[in-house]
Amino acid sequence: GAVVSQHPSRVICKSGTSVKIECRSLDFQATTMFWYRQFPKQSLMLMATSNEGSKATYEQGVEKDKFLINHASLTLSTLTVTSAHPEDSSFYICSARSGGGEQGVTGELFFGEGSRLTVL
Amino acid sequence: GQNIDQPTEMTATEGAIVQINCTYQTSGFNGLFWYQQHAGEAPTFLSYNVLDGLEEKGRFSSFLSRSKGYSYLLLKELQMKDSASYLCAVYNTDKLIFGTGTRLQVFP
Repeated sequence: GAVVSQHPSRVICKSGTSVKIECRSLDFQATTMFWYRQFPKQSLMLMATSNEGSKATYEQGVEKDKFLINHASLTLSTLTVTSAHPEDSSFYICSARSGGGEQGVTGELFFGEGSRLTVL
Repeated sequence: GQNIDQPTEMTATEGAIVQINCTYQTSGFNGLFWYQQHAGEAPTFLSYNVLDGLEEKGRFSSFLSRSKGYSYLLLKELQMKDSASYLCAVYNTDKLIFGTGTRLQVFP
């Protein structure tokens, strides 16, 4: 099946630094990628929708200047957490949509392995 | 607004049957997904419903009623490894919105 790879899986950084998380679709072209964050014992919250070659669409309440998303190619989207603070510590998960899905939806959705960010 | 509600926690016994409910109110609807998520891992796909009715896949079945904004995931012959969070998600036009998630604990 299709694979989405996310890197790094774990990152620890100091408060005030920036962290970049990569999301790659390994065997399909992903015109759309989604970024979610998940706090402990909570569900996934959609942060933004990333479309190749255009600006990301952010969900209400998500700071676009803090969470920079770049989708420069059909196989790579990056999320940069700028000037990270302890409250940004979370599990960040990307998902990518392929061009066509067996379920009949416009593109089956595949999830990356997730990246756990800890800001000290 | 978007509301997708599930019970927060459920417990069950190994070998039993458990039903996890999901109710939703969304501005659009293009299908409903169920995912399983073990602690610290990414979600894995379980089922997809776009038409009313029951979809059966091995020990897991999923039901959808679009008129009622309601779905359930049925897990049969529970195993210890089924202890996980179960996430209901609605495909709303062009994005997947997740419910609150249900933590299921299976006891021997």
